[in-house]
Amino acid sequence: NAGVTQTPKFQVLKTGQSMTLQCAQDMNHEYMSWYRQDPGMGLRLIHYSVGAGITDQGEVPNGYNVSRSTTEDFPLRLLSAAPSQTSVYFCASSYGTGIIYEQYFGPGTRLTVT
Amino acid sequence: KQEVTQIPAALSVPEGENLVLNCSFTDSAIYNLQWFRQDPGKGLTSLLLIQSSQREQTSGRLNASLDKSSGRSTLYIAASQPGDSATYLCAGVYGQNFVFGPGTRLSVLP
Repeated sequence: NAGVTQTPKFQVLKTGQSMTLQCAQDMNHEYMSWYRQDPGMGLRLIHYSVGAGITDQGEVPNGYNVSRSTTEDFPLRLLSAAPSQTSVYFCASSYGTGIIYEQYFGPGTRLTVT
Repeated sequence: KQEVTQIPAALSVPEGENLVLNCSFTDSAIYNLQWFRQDPGKGLTSLLLIQSSQREQTSGRLNASLDKSSGRSTLYIAASQPGDSATYLCAGVYGQNFVFGPGTRLSVLP
């Protein structure tokens, strides 16, 4: 049971490039989410999903796209990277849908945009 | 707006002390509250989840309480150890939305 996995661990992009951060979980959780963590700002929700085919925006969705084609995978796409997107990105999953219960986090992806 | 705050921002204690970390939330319509630990450069590890129908949860040397009426949760760590040094975050669960506090950075000195 691997839990929540994220790839890559580290990434450097140039401004304007696009990329996809991968997230997968093997716990059959319906709820999955993406956060970014910045010094002084704490963890902020980007997008979340309550099941395959269902996604919604969080607090800071601009510049990011998500889709959920399977229960296991929830990739986060940066369409045109900007230096303001330099951050640590965490994916999480939970067994709740209407009310979310215990969330389990992946190890994070550290992204630098130059 | 739902906000979660944590006091103090940083705490340094000698090994063996009992300590309390505080978490406050502005919206008492909270469903659950979860405490996490984060080591430098790592992800978040779940410590305790308190559901709104519960008042406290215990795991080993950790005890967390939830008082919705006062908008507060506390995490009590007994007999602290250097290995407890980390940042501790609380998160209020409002339906499908987690609202995180900024964290308390704990240092336990040998």
